Amino acid sequence: NAGVTQTPKFRVLKTGQSMTLLCAQDMNHEYMYWYRQDPGMGLRLIHYSVGEGTTAKGEVPDGYNVSRLKKQNFLLGLESAAPSQTSVYFCASKWRGLADTQYFGPGTRLTVL
Amino acid sequence: EDKVVQSPLSLVVHEGDTVTLNCSYEVTNFRSLLWYKQEKKAPTFLFMLTSSGIEKKSGRLSSILDKKELFSILNITATQTGDSAVYLCAVGRLDAGGTSYGKLTFGQGTILTVHP
Repeated sequence: NAGVTQTPKFRVLKTGQSMTLLCAQDMNHEYMYWYRQDPGMGLRLIHYSVGEGTTAKGEVPDGYNVSRLKKQNFLLGLESAAPSQTSVYFCASKWRGLADTQYFGPGTRLTVL
Repeated sequence: EDKVVQSPLSLVVHEGDTVTLNCSYEVTNFRSLLWYKQEKKAPTFLFMLTSSGIEKKSGRLSSILDKKELFSILNITATQTGDSAVYLCAVGRLDAGGTSYGKLTFGQGTILTVHP
């Protein structure tokens, strides 16, 4: 049982390049989330999904797109990376029940030059 | 706009000390408050509180929620070097329609350093 996994672990991009971050979970969770974590700012929600084929915007969605084609996977895309997107990205998932407990992946450290 | 504020932002103590971390919030349609511990990598879940005045306890860690005054505290007694981490507070809420999609608003975190 791997829980929540993220690939890649590290990536360096040049301004204007694109990339996709992959999140996978094997807990059969319905809800999945993408966050970014910057120094002194805690975790901020980018996009989330409440089920296969559905996505919604979070607090800081600009410059990102997401897709949830399969229940276990949640992809985060950067179409044209900017230095302001340098951050650590975390994926999380949770069951659809009453508890708000989210389970996090190990994170992806992204640097945009 | 929802707001979660943690204090202090950083704290340095010695092994054996007791620490209290604070989390205050202003959130519409409050549903729950969660504490996470983050050591370099993924945040790991500690507690979830939904009712006022009930203490959640796990070993040397305990937490209590005050829904009237809109804050929570996390206590760690007899600290150890392994307690060094960032402690995150997060608040869950209901949307305007009364549904919850489990979205959390996080505080900035408290960096705890425990010296031997």
